[in-house]
Amino acid sequence: QKEVEQDPGPLSVPEGAIVSLNCTYSNSAFQYFMWYRQYSRKGPELLMYTYSSGNKEDGRFTAQVDKSSKYISLFIRDSQPSDSATYLCAMKGAAGNKLTFGGGTRVLVKP
Amino acid sequence: ETGVTQSPTHLIKTRGQQVTLRCSSQSGHNTVSWYQQALGQGPQFIFQYYREEENGRGNFPPRFSGLQFPNYSSELNVNALELDDSALYLCASSLATGLEEKLFFGSGTQLSVL
Repeated sequence: QKEVEQDPGPLSVPEGAIVSLNCTYSNSAFQYFMWYRQYSRKGPELLMYTYSSGNKEDGRFTAQVDKSSKYISLFIRDSQPSDSATYLCAMKGAAGNKLTFGGGTRVLVKP
Repeated sequence: ETGVTQSPTHLIKTRGQQVTLRCSSQSGHNTVSWYQQALGQGPQFIFQYYREEENGRGNFPPRFSGLQFPNYSSELNVNALELDDSALYLCASSLATGLEEKLFFGSGTQLSVL
């Protein structure tokens, strides 16, 4: 079993809809949680960075972390065709320096 | 754009050869990490360099090695290439503060091993 599980999709939504993404994890030592967006043939781009449990909002993006359930979510409001990409969750512990990634969810926003 | 640049963008090698990939980190960053991303999968941590020393390593064999230079740029070397080494190799730079450490990735080098 992988440390971080993420549905590969694809997740197809109409333009303007809310995109809901999530990851589950098994390592209770994870304390920092990130979401990256990756376009085809490009490197991952950091979207959201959250420490411990709680919610964080930045523009159209909201990240939620529930450490008790080992479950994190990313919501994208008013989705646009330009949001079509692969979304990767990543996490790390308080000690150590490596990120552990999920496999990514491919999102398609149709005009 | 993150300011992290990688070269070359694409590379084709044959099995058994050696390859060197290069990375220039974002201005002000002192830490470089390397990740391998196979097609359809998330990136896997190879190793990290801080102040020219290896500072953590993932589950990769010794034929994967690296260097960090005084200007914080870095190289990833892979010896005795295998077909399974075909992947996107990502470099990420960060500023080690002991607290939050955000990684910013370059666009990667696509390596194909034939």
